Amino acid sequence: DVKVTQSSRYLVKRTGEKVFLECVQDMDHENMFWYRQDPGLGLRLIYFSYDVKMKEKGDIPEGYSVSREKKERFSLILESASTNQTSMYLCASWTGQDSYNEQFFGPGTRLTVL
Amino acid sequence: DQQVKQNSPSLSVQEGRISILNCDYTNSMFDYFLWYKKYPAEGPTFLISISSIKDKNEDGRFTVFLNKSAKHLSLHIVPSQPGDSAVYFCAASARNNAGNMLTFGGGTRLMVKP
Repeated sequence: DVKVTQSSRYLVKRTGEKVFLECVQDMDHENMFWYRQDPGLGLRLIYFSYDVKMKEKGDIPEGYSVSREKKERFSLILESASTNQTSMYLCASWTGQDSYNEQFFGPGTRLTVL
Repeated sequence: DQQVKQNSPSLSVQEGRISILNCDYTNSMFDYFLWYKKYPAEGPTFLISISSIKDKNEDGRFTVFLNKSAKHLSLHIVPSQPGDSAVYFCAASARNNAGNMLTFGGGTRLMVKP
């Protein structure tokens, strides 16, 4: 079974703080993704990575950066947290096999920025 | 502009009856569609998918129907059970997308009453 883990389930930070969200997958997947989930908006892609040290912007990258130094780990960084970044953050990974499009998700991190 | 829309934010169904969740898309390049189920405080889990070369895919109590001409898909759950109560997300991908980017709808909250 694929396992995707996220470093924190709940996080409370103050405006202006630097925030790190960590994601680890144990199935040697090539591709990893960061989404945020907000009511009525579904899941929106922030960034994704298709290889170590490679990253691509998703639909809403502003205010975020990412790091992928090792294949199994994908970090999301909020350089200066703002209240509008209060959200549920979900990490996902995918094998890279073209015929199988399922992404596997971690449990999510509920971030509150005060 | 949302390319994948779930127009019903919530749906309430009696146990044992059929649940029908709907999803519309606008991008004709989408060729693979997935449904995910999400419980509170957990990440989404894959439920069922369908390729654009098919119009129906069935897995136990779950059936997905695809109407390409109408750019519409639906998820049928028969019979509905209280454990099916969750948020359901429709997602779509285009085969030529780098990194298997999925575009998600806003979600429908299903409540199955005992």
